[in-house]
Amino acid sequence: EAGVAQSPRYKIIEKRQSVAFWCNPISGHATLYWYQQILGQGPKLLIQFQNNGVVDDSQLPKDRFSAERLKGVDSTLKIQPAKLEDSAVYLCASSLATSRMYNEQFFGPGTRLTVL
Amino acid sequence: AQSVTQLDSHVSVSEGTPVLLRCNYSSSYSPSLFWYVQHPNKGLQLLLKYTSAATLVKGINGFEAEFKKSETSFHLTKPSAHMSDAAEYFCVLLTGGSQGNLIFGKGTKLSVKP
Repeated sequence: EAGVAQSPRYKIIEKRQSVAFWCNPISGHATLYWYQQILGQGPKLLIQFQNNGVVDDSQLPKDRFSAERLKGVDSTLKIQPAKLEDSAVYLCASSLATSRMYNEQFFGPGTRLTVL
Repeated sequence: AQSVTQLDSHVSVSEGTPVLLRCNYSSSYSPSLFWYVQHPNKGLQLLLKYTSAATLVKGINGFEAEFKKSETSFHLTKPSAHMSDAAEYFCVLLTGGSQGNLIFGKGTKLSVKP
C-alpha cells in the first residue's frame, strides 16, 4: 500500500515570497491533516479536513496560510507571504476516521521549508 | 488543559542496554495516549497506543509502555537497545471531542552507542 506522498521535500525561499506544498493521502482515507513541526518541537496541527470540508482550522494563521482539498483527495497548503518564523517541516497525515472513534494517522515524510 | 510533557530532550544508551523514555500527561478526560517514532527524513510511525484497555501496552520492535493513572505517566521502555532504535520519539495525547486531534510532546532524541 502506498503511503502519504508529499512534495517538494525541501524548499528554500526568501521572506515575503509565497510557497505551496502538496499532499496526496493514502487512497480511501477520508481525513487529511496538515501539521507544522518547528525544530526542537513536536508537530502542531494546522488544519484538518474531512473529505473536502474543513473540520478544524483553529490554529491556522489565516492571514498568511491557506489550504484546500478539492475533490476530497489531494491537498495543498500555501503560505503567502512567508515569514522567517515559518521555517519548519510541514507534515501531512491521513486517516480513515469518519466518526468519533480514533483511527491511526499515517504521516508523510514532510516538506522542510527554510525562509531566509 | 490537556498537555504532554516529555521529561528528557535527549537520552543516550549503549547498544544492548535498556531504554527508558519518560512522558507525563495532563488530561481532563480518560486519556488515549500514543508513542510515535520519527527516523531522519522519514514520516512519523506509530509505535503503540493506549486506549483504556490493558495498562501495559506492547508495540512494534520490542517497545512497550505502561499507563499509570496515579502518576499521570506513560513511559516507553525497551529491554535491549539496538542501533536501529536511534531516532526521535514523541509521546502523544488524543484530545477529547469528535475531531480526535493529537497533541504532541516536544520529543526525545534517542542515541544508541555501539
